[in-house]
Amino acid sequence: AQSVSQHNHHVILSEAASLELGCNYSYGGTVNLFWYVQYPGQHLQLLLKYFSGDPLVKGIKGFEAEFIKSKFSFNLRKPSVQWSDTAEYFCAVNANNQGGKLIFGQGTELSVKP
Amino acid sequence: DAGVTQSPTHLIKTRGQQVTLRCSPKSGHDTVSWYQQALGQEPQFIFQYYEEEERQRGNFPDRFSGHQFPNYSSELNVNALLLGDSALYLCASSLRMDLRPENTIYFGEGSWLTVV
Repeated sequence: AQSVSQHNHHVILSEAASLELGCNYSYGGTVNLFWYVQYPGQHLQLLLKYFSGDPLVKGIKGFEAEFIKSKFSFNLRKPSVQWSDTAEYFCAVNANNQGGKLIFGQGTELSVKP
Repeated sequence: DAGVTQSPTHLIKTRGQQVTLRCSPKSGHDTVSWYQQALGQEPQFIFQYYEEEERQRGNFPDRFSGHQFPNYSSELNVNALLLGDSALYLCASSLRMDLRPENTIYFGEGSWLTVV
């Protein structure tokens, strides 16, 4: 069965620090990869997505992610975080033969101290 | 251009009761999926509707059922409610079933269900 692992459950950073959140998935076929953010009390918003092509994907709000196929990873990065980045971050996988079904990782809570 | 709208936003039900949650997809979208997000957990896929038929289903019992109407809106029904059904129920819409680079999934703000 497919699964998605986010190893960091809670990350605490100071403003201007760099961020990297890990995401690994288990699936042998072709996958589409996503990072979503959920601000407190708000709905899930898409940060970025990867379907094919350049494995380095740029998203909104200065976030980027790199797909490393050999490591089954899709880590999220941001060079300098802001207090407003405090939120829950979810990695999600969609297998090409699974229609629109998304499988989410457990989420990483990011707290940015001003 | 309206995004995904869900109703009600909050509701409280008693064990054993039945509940119906509603979702209107983003304008132009024809596919609706439902997810359950328990407090502090990740969203879990319940099922997906396209062309008024259930196309995919996650690991949820038959107590969870749904419907899609000709205008693409959808309902999620849960029968014989259990305490463990307390969660945020998310509706997601997209254009067509299969995800493509130009086809983004949009999520609604969810319906908070508390079972007491």
